[in-house]
Amino acid sequence: SAVISQKPSRDICQRGTSLTIQCQVDSQVTMMFWYRQQPGQSLTLIATANQGSEATYESGFVIDKFPISRPNLTFSTLTVSNMSPEDSSIYLCSVEDPGQGGSYGYTFGSGTRLTVV
Amino acid sequence: QKEVEQNSGPLSVPEGAIASLNCTYSDRGSQSFFWYRQYSGKSPELIMFIYSNGDKEDGRFTAQLNKASQYVSLLIRDSQPSDSATYLCAVNGGFGNEKLTFGTGTRLTIIP
Repeated sequence: SAVISQKPSRDICQRGTSLTIQCQVDSQVTMMFWYRQQPGQSLTLIATANQGSEATYESGFVIDKFPISRPNLTFSTLTVSNMSPEDSSIYLCSVEDPGQGGSYGYTFGSGTRLTVV
Repeated sequence: QKEVEQNSGPLSVPEGAIASLNCTYSDRGSQSFFWYRQYSGKSPELIMFIYSNGDKEDGRFTAQLNKASQYVSLLIRDSQPSDSATYLCAVNGGFGNEKLTFGTGTRLTIIP
């Protein structure tokens, strides 16, 4: 299955600043997904990132706040801009992961735990 | 708007018993269904996926899907303390709509 390297694993940031999270996949993938998991909550999709096109954002998430880059088929970044304490969450990237025999699943990076102070 | 609902937890099950986790979804167009396990402080890991009506077994885990009732479940037989985690149900719409929508999660505790 795909292996995703996500960094940083955690960070503590001052409000008003920005943090860029990186995900590197060991194989080429068409789509990468970015999720947010607020404390004690489930995963909420922020956006879908396709190589060579603008990311598609879910309701409640905007490009100015969460700009995404997808320069190639193995790499993507998510920036959390002008941070406030409400942005304190775990951010996860994910890829669809074709497996053997046509089976598939979605693999997640190890996550970035962000605390905004 | 897709919605995925899971039975509210937390759920406590004695070691060796069967744990039953339930999930309903609102979008009849959903094609594929996934169960993820998430340990505290870790990212979700895939346990099982299913896309055909009926049962699918993998070791101690059985996923059950009933598309008519828009219902998917996960059974864990011979529950072990290591099964204690939050279980997340997720669905997607298939080709052209691959994004996953997650349920609220059920926290499962296996009591030794």
